[in-house]
Amino acid sequence: AQSVSQHNHHVILSEAASLELGCNYSYGGTVNLFWYVQYPGQHLQLLLKYFSGDPLVKGIKGFEAEFIKSKFSFNLRKPSVQWSDTAEYFCAVKNNYKLSFGAGTTVTVRA
Amino acid sequence: SAVISQKPSRDICQRGTSLTIQCQVDSQVTMMFWYRQQPGQSLTLIATANQGSEATYESGFVIDKFPISRPNLTFSTLTVSNMSPEDSSIYLCSVVVPNTEAFFGQGTRLTVV
Repeated sequence: AQSVSQHNHHVILSEAASLELGCNYSYGGTVNLFWYVQYPGQHLQLLLKYFSGDPLVKGIKGFEAEFIKSKFSFNLRKPSVQWSDTAEYFCAVKNNYKLSFGAGTTVTVRA
Repeated sequence: SAVISQKPSRDICQRGTSLTIQCQVDSQVTMMFWYRQQPGQSLTLIATANQGSEATYESGFVIDKFPISRPNLTFSTLTVSNMSPEDSSIYLCSVVVPNTEAFFGQGTRLTVV
């Protein structure tokens, strides 16, 4: 069975700081990779996704993620965060239509 | 893409009762998925619902507690049976469109008192 690990449970940073959230998965076959965001009181929204091609993918709101196949990783980055980036971030891996989520990382951005 | 309508959006229920959550998709999909998100936690897959066959449940979830119906390719229901306060969660319906992402309903916030 596949599993998804997110390295950080809670990250606190100041506005304009850079953000990197780690994500590793265990499945060795072909997978699709996602980062979802959940703002307080709202439902899940897709930030970005990787299916194939360029391992550096760009998403909405200035986020990007890099797929490193040899490390089974798909880390999320943003060069300069804003207060509005305060949210819960979930890494997810899809294989054969089944989506498995990491435990989530709470990001708190201080103004 | 897929647009998912889920209802109710929230409910407060008495322990021992059951609640049925409905999920309607604007296009035909082969598989629909039901997730649970307990307070402060990630999403856990409850089961996969296929049209015309019994749902496939993940470890820790059983049909008697979470019966699922899938009468056609655009609709599914999840029932939370004999509820207890531990069932208080957000329940989400999801579909996966081939070669693209998963789409989620807005969720049902269930509180059991």
